[in-house]
Amino acid sequence: EAGVAQSPRYKIIEKRQSVAFWCNPISGHATLYWYQQILGQGPKLLIQFQNNGVVDDSQLPKDRFSAERLKGVDSTLKIQPAKLEDSAVYLCASSLVGGRSTDTQYFGPGTRLTVL
Amino acid sequence: GQQVMQIPQYQHVQEGEDFTTYCNSSTTLSNIQWYKQRPGGHPVFLIQLVKSGEVKKQKRLTFQFGEAKKNSSLHITATQTTDVGTYFCVGGFQKLVFGTGTRLLVSP
Repeated sequence: EAGVAQSPRYKIIEKRQSVAFWCNPISGHATLYWYQQILGQGPKLLIQFQNNGVVDDSQLPKDRFSAERLKGVDSTLKIQPAKLEDSAVYLCASSLVGGRSTDTQYFGPGTRLTVL
Repeated sequence: GQQVMQIPQYQHVQEGEDFTTYCNSSTTLSNIQWYKQRPGGHPVFLIQLVKSGEVKKQKRLTFQFGEAKKNSSLHITATQTTDVGTYFCVGGFQKLVFGTGTRLLVSP
């Protein structure tokens, strides 16, 4: 079974530029999560989709971050414009059903973003 | 909001020594999960505990869920260099909340 795929793996941009990340979850997984992990900290949930609907985006900085999940499969996370404090690893995860705290999340390798 | 704290933040042990990390929630949990993240890697699911007082073992790893379902622990017996990484507990509320993590370093 293929795991969660993410691209790119690394990205370096200058502040005020835009950047987009892509995630392909495990086939058949209904729920997709985007996390931000700053160096030395635990992952922080940015947004959770169930199929193509948003379940939780309470910690997403909506003035600069946006995310979509077209057709309930792939997802993109965009930052526009980027700030220095956005430097982090952006992790995508998926779970089979979602919406329950007992779901196991499967994580992708992450995208390491450096904002200069 | 819900918070999940872990102690210690960091521990450095000699190979063969035991290691324990503790996880504490400000509110009662429905369940708790444990994940391991190797340096430069992504979190990988280890186990889930659901019942009050539950204890589960995976080889040298022992996981425990408190009676009040507000705390949990992970104990590693006779650590090996392959145990290096950060261990996160993830508290189950209406959604999963990651703990602050404990970074384990094992010297040969």
